[in-house]
Amino acid sequence: DTGVSQNPRHKITKRGQNVTFRCDPISEHNRLYWYRQTLGQGPEFLTYFQNEAQLEKSRLLSDRFSAERPKGSFSTLEIQRTEQGDSAMYLCASSIFRDRVDGYTFGSGTRLTVV
Amino acid sequence: AQTVTQSQPEMSVQEAETVTLSCTYDTSESDYYLFWYKQPPSRQMILVIRQEAYKQQNATENRFSVNFQKAAKSFSLKISDSQLGDAAMYFCAYRNSGGSNYKLTFGKGTLLTVNP
Repeated sequence: DTGVSQNPRHKITKRGQNVTFRCDPISEHNRLYWYRQTLGQGPEFLTYFQNEAQLEKSRLLSDRFSAERPKGSFSTLEIQRTEQGDSAMYLCASSIFRDRVDGYTFGSGTRLTVV
Repeated sequence: AQTVTQSQPEMSVQEAETVTLSCTYDTSESDYYLFWYKQPPSRQMILVIRQEAYKQQNATENRFSVNFQKAAKSFSLKISDSQLGDAAMYFCAYRNSGGSNYKLTFGKGTLLTVNP
C-alpha cells in the first residue's frame, strides 16, 4: 500500500469552471477526510466520511462544493463555478480507529489555482 | 469550539542545536489528543508526535519531545540535535477523544529553518 494518493497534484482553472479532485485512501481505512489549506494557514476541516456515509460537512463547504465516496473506497471533491477564493491546497486524509488511536495519513494534496 | 494558537510564525536554529516550538490551545474537554505535524516542502503532512491528555508523562520520539502542561493548555515541541531535514512547516493540532473525535483543529503553523 503506497499511502493516500491524490490526483491531480496541480490544477489551474478559469473562474466559473467546474473542477473535480480524486483521493484514494489506504485500502483498510474506513474514515476519509477533506481539508483545505490556504497560504499561511493550517489545514481547515471540510468534510468526513465513514465508509460511504458523509457524516459531517463544515460550514466552509458552500453549496458549490460536493464530496462523494461511492462504495466506501475512493472519494471525489467537486467544486462548481470556481471562484478565486477557492484557490488553495486541498488535502485528503484517511484513518482507521483502533485502540483509542486514530492515526491520520495525509495525501500530498491537490493545489488549485483559479485565474 | 476548540482553538489552537502558534505564536511563532517563523523560527530558526543552527544544525545540531535545540529548538522549541510553542503551542497553546483552548478547550472545555478533559480528554483529548494533541499532535505535532511536519509539512516539508513536498507538502505531505507527517505525524511527528502525539500526546494523550490523560497521560501525565510527556511523549518522546527520538529527537522530538513535548512539554505538555494541561492546566496551562500548553503543548510545546522540542527538537534536539536539529538536522537539515527538520526544516519544514510545523503544525500543532488538537482532536477530541469523545464526540467529533475524528476532526483535527490546526494552528497556523511555524516555519522552521535549520542553518548549516
